[in-house]
Amino acid sequence: AQKVTQAQTEISVVEKEDVTLDCVYETRDTTYYLFWYKQPPSGELVFLIRRNSFDEQNEISGRYSWNFQKSTSSFNFTITASQVVDSAVYFCALSSSNTGKLIFGQGTTLQVKP
Amino acid sequence: DAGVIQSPRHEVTEMGQEVTLRCKPISGHNSLFWYRQTMMRGLELLIYFNNNVPIDDSGMPEDRFSAKMPNASFSTLKIQPSEPRDSAVYFCASSSGQGGTNYGYTFGSGTRLTVV
Repeated sequence: AQKVTQAQTEISVVEKEDVTLDCVYETRDTTYYLFWYKQPPSGELVFLIRRNSFDEQNEISGRYSWNFQKSTSSFNFTITASQVVDSAVYFCALSSSNTGKLIFGQGTTLQVKP
Repeated sequence: DAGVIQSPRHEVTEMGQEVTLRCKPISGHNSLFWYRQTMMRGLELLIYFNNNVPIDDSGMPEDRFSAKMPNASFSTLKIQPSEPRDSAVYFCASSSGQGGTNYGYTFGSGTRLTVV
């Protein structure tokens, strides 16, 4: 069975602080994909990153970075120098390359205070 | 590309009424997904289709829910009869993939359903 766990329900930080959102996954597939989505207060789901299971390179995109560690089944997301506009719910998700089925974690609500 | 198009954006209906939510996936995408989002249960996968064929409907909560995909450019999610506990945001998503490679998922803007 596949499962995604985001243990942090809510995080509150002050602007300019760094913050890391944790994601742990379970799967029996050898090939799979991991995603992060952002859901701002407006409600849409915004794609942030996709990573396949064979690519463990960390990725940086501006203030965002992702750390994928297969050994611990984790795909953590760090926002550097957070801004108020980063306030949103962030979802980690996992898909099977066999079925294409995409499942989500429960989400982490990030509040960045000015 | 207009993205995944869902209609209506908002729906308010009375308990017992039939509700139909609609989705137009991105042209060329071969998979379509319906999700429900609530505060209590988060984002739940209800059903997904591959090449217009339902593959996994294990997330459909009850027989009151049904989904169809008559062609590659259209899908519906129907609730009959609706109940207040069906109030949620319903998202449709589409994706493309071939040979085990997934090219990503695109979500519609969602339909906010309120059953009173």
